[in-house]
Amino acid sequence: GEDVEQSLFLSVREGDSSVINCTYTDSSSTYLYWYKQEPGAGLQLLTYIFSNMDMKQDQRLTVLLNKKDKHLSLRIADTQTGDSAIYFCAESMKYGKLIFGTGTRLQVFP
Amino acid sequence: NAGVTQTPKFQVLKTGQSMTLQCAQDMNHNSMYWYRQDPGMGLRLIYYSASEGTTDKGEVPNGYNVSRLNKREFSLRLESAAPSQTSVYFCASSGGSLDRGSGNTIYFGEGSWLTVV
Repeated sequence: GEDVEQSLFLSVREGDSSVINCTYTDSSSTYLYWYKQEPGAGLQLLTYIFSNMDMKQDQRLTVLLNKKDKHLSLRIADTQTGDSAIYFCAESMKYGKLIFGTGTRLQVFP
Repeated sequence: NAGVTQTPKFQVLKTGQSMTLQCAQDMNHNSMYWYRQDPGMGLRLIYYSASEGTTDKGEVPNGYNVSRLNKREFSLRLESAAPSQTSVYFCASSGGSLDRGSGNTIYFGEGSWLTVV
C-alpha cells in the first residue's frame, strides 16, 4: 500500500542543524518531495529528489535518499527562526498525484 | 503571477447545506487536484483530474463531487455538508504527464478553511 510516515515534532536551537525524517512504502515512486507550510498558508515546494539519486544539495538544504530502506531525510543547516513551519514529505504517484506524510512541525528556539 | 487561485478562503456551513469550492489555474496545466488537510493526517487526495474532461477518485472521495469545467477550472462540491468535512481544502495543479512520478512541480493554492457546524 501507499503510506508515508514522519515524526510529528522537532525542536532545535537557532543555528543548529535540523534533520527531518520520512519513510515511504512504495518503492516504485520516481520522485520524492519536501514541502514547507507556514501557519495559515499553502504548501511551498522546497526541493525534490529523483529516485536514482542518493543526495541532493540546495543551499542550506540537503536531501538524502536511502532507497533500500525507503528512507528520506531533509537536513536544514544553520536553522533560523524563519524555518519554523510544518514540513511534509511526499511521494509521487501516477498522474502527478502525491501521497503526503503527516507532516513534521519544526520549532526553532533562540 | 496568480498561479492557483481558490475561493472562498473561509466558509462556515450548517450541517446539510451544500457549497462549491472553486479553483482556477493560469499555468496551462493538465492535471488538477483537491486535497484536504486534517491535523495529524497530512494531506489526503479527494479527487483529481489528469486532463480536461476526466476526473478520478482519490483516497477520500466520499461526500464530494468534482467538475473539471475546462482546462483552467476544477471545482469541488459538498452536496450535504457534515461536521466530518470540517477541514482545510487545497487545490493544486501540475503539468503532469501520464508517467508515474513525472517530477513535474505541483503548485498549491492558498487553502480554503471550511467549518461545518
